[in-house]
Formats: sequence, structure tokens, C-alpha cells
Amino acid sequence: ETGVTQSPTHLIKTRGQQVTLRCSSQSGHNTVSWYQQALGQGPQFIFQYYREEENGRGNFPPRFSGLQFPNYSSELNVNALELDDSALYLCASSLRTGPSYEQYFGPGTRLTVT
Amino acid sequence: DQQVKQNSPSLSVQEGRISILNCDYTNSMFDYFLWYKKYPAEGPTFLISISSIKDKNEDGRFTVFLNKSAKHLSLHIVPSQPGDSAVYFCAAKRRDISGGSNYKLTFGKGTLLTVNP
Repeated sequence: ETGVTQSPTHLIKTRGQQVTLRCSSQSGHNTVSWYQQALGQGPQFIFQYYREEENGRGNFPPRFSGLQFPNYSSELNVNALELDDSALYLCASSLRTGPSYEQYFGPGTRLTVT
Repeated sequence: DQQVKQNSPSLSVQEGRISILNCDYTNSMFDYFLWYKKYPAEGPTFLISISSIKDKNEDGRFTVFLNKSAKHLSLHIVPSQPGDSAVYFCAAKRRDISGGSNYKLTFGKGTLLTVNP
């Protein structure tokens, strides 16, 4: 069973640039969620994708967008980067059905905006 | 507005003793609670969960207690081991009144547990 993978591991961008982060779900999982974890904080929900459609969104502006592909992998895109976007970005996969609400996280992408 | 609060940023415990990590919440619509452990440079790892209709769930050395009237839950680790040293996050899922299945998790800020040999 393959776990959740994310790429790249680290990224440095300049304010105003655009970035794309990638995530591969755990085998058999059909739902992907993205979280932002700032230093000293817990992960904050950005949005969730199911069947290639956004299914719930947190308090993040529209310049944060995403995609889910037929193989359930996903991308997080951030436009017009700001210094405050510097954070660890976590992807989590889960199964839509069933009693378990566990989400399985990848190792994250550390984004630094200068 | 922080709906899930972990008021202790850190906790230090001797190996073999009990570790108790606490979590408070404010939203009565939360119906499922989870604990995650996070090592540096890794993503959070699921530990144990509890439904709001229960008051206790046990898995090996880990037990989670839920007190709904106090909106409080705690994670007990017995006996504590040095490998348990990590940041522990409390997370909660909200009941979806629309009948859907939104799996959004709301996390606390975490508690750094250090287990000393």
C-alpha cells in the first residue's frame, strides 16, 4: 500500500509569483484535502476535493485553487504569492464512505516566500 | 475564533509514567474527534479517534476520554516511551447538517510532548 506523497519537498518563491504543489493520494482513497500549517500553529483547512470537484473550502482567498485528477492525485495552486503564504502545505487523503473520518497526511511541502 | 484549543504548548514526562494531553472545544456541532502525532519533517500521523456518542476509546497504550458536557477531551499514554516524543494535535470534525460528508478537520495548535529516559 502506497502512502500519501507530495512534491516538491521544499520550494522558495518570490512575492507575486505563482506556485503549484502536487499530491498523490494513498492507494484506494478518493478524497483529497489540503491544509496550511504556519509556524507554531495547527494545520488549517484550505479545501477538499472529491470526484474532481471542490467539496468544502476554508477561509482562504480565491488565489488558492486546486485540481483533482481521475487517478485522485491533486494539485494546489497559489497565485500572487504573499509573504504570509510561507508555511508547510499538507495534503491528506481519505475515503469518502465509511464510519472512519481519518485523514492520512503526506510529509508536506515547505514553501518559503521572499 | 479558535474552536479547538490545546492550552499547553509543551509537556515533559518521565519514561514509564502517564502522559495526559488535553484539548478543549467550543463548537457543539463537532461529532468526531481525532488525535494526530507529528514528528519533525513528517506529516501528522493518525493515532486514535472517538465519536461524540462515546466517552472512551482505547487502543493499546493510548486512551482518549471525551467529556461532552465540559467540551473537553484528553489523550492518555501509558506507559510513556521516549519514542512518543512528538507534537500531538487534537482535531475535530463538524457534523454536516446538509447530509453531505465534508471531512474538514479543525486542528488545535498542538502540544509538544517530551518523554525523558
